[in-house]
Amino acid sequence: DTGVSQDPRHKITKRGQNVTFRCDPISEHNRLYWYRQTLGQGPEFLTYFQNEAQLEKSRLLSDRFSAERPKGSFSTLEIQRTEQGDSAMYLCASSPDAPEQYFGPGTRLTVT
Amino acid sequence: RKEVEQDPGPFNVPEGATVAFNCTYSNSASQSFFWYRQDCRKEPKLLMSVYSSGNEDGRFTAQLNRASQYISLLIRDSKLSDSATYLCVVDRSSASKIIFGSGTRLSIRP
Repeated sequence: DTGVSQDPRHKITKRGQNVTFRCDPISEHNRLYWYRQTLGQGPEFLTYFQNEAQLEKSRLLSDRFSAERPKGSFSTLEIQRTEQGDSAMYLCASSPDAPEQYFGPGTRLTVT
Repeated sequence: RKEVEQDPGPFNVPEGATVAFNCTYSNSASQSFFWYRQDCRKEPKLLMSVYSSGNEDGRFTAQLNRASQYISLLIRDSKLSDSATYLCVVDRSSASKIIFGSGTRLSIRP
């Protein structure tokens, strides 16, 4: 399967713990996006990379959130000191130099 | 007011029916428009782009009305497998300005 992959698919953590998610985009795609989605809502933009450069960040992305794409391939999203409000589906998407995006299956985070 | 608004539904229609739903957007600078489909607990998948002249893909027709700032999706001869949430996406050609609507739930009954 050459689609976007995300790991883990599910994560349950206790409030205050740090979590890290990984996204592997489609190999020839230079654009990579992170979104957060809660029940009944559409995905909300978090951050965007073009190759290894993080070009945009949402104001939703507090200082507890950090994302990297060190070699312009896979990306990681870290949440420090998790809060219950961080519980959501975290989606990664990639695209070539075009606006259409291809999503991974997501990481469902539950903070207890 | 949300920048992209959709009727949440659910739209519950019989198999074979034609169904249409709209999505309104508030920012006239929006440049690209898309419809995505999302099945329950799955990721969104691109259904079709929406072009100014309107476009068709099989049973699906998408239209853009810039003057009234809405896009529409028409599904003809609906199938049970069309049951999903349909997300409207508006792109102002900046990553942070890619806005997803909350989606319209469609349920096709036998």
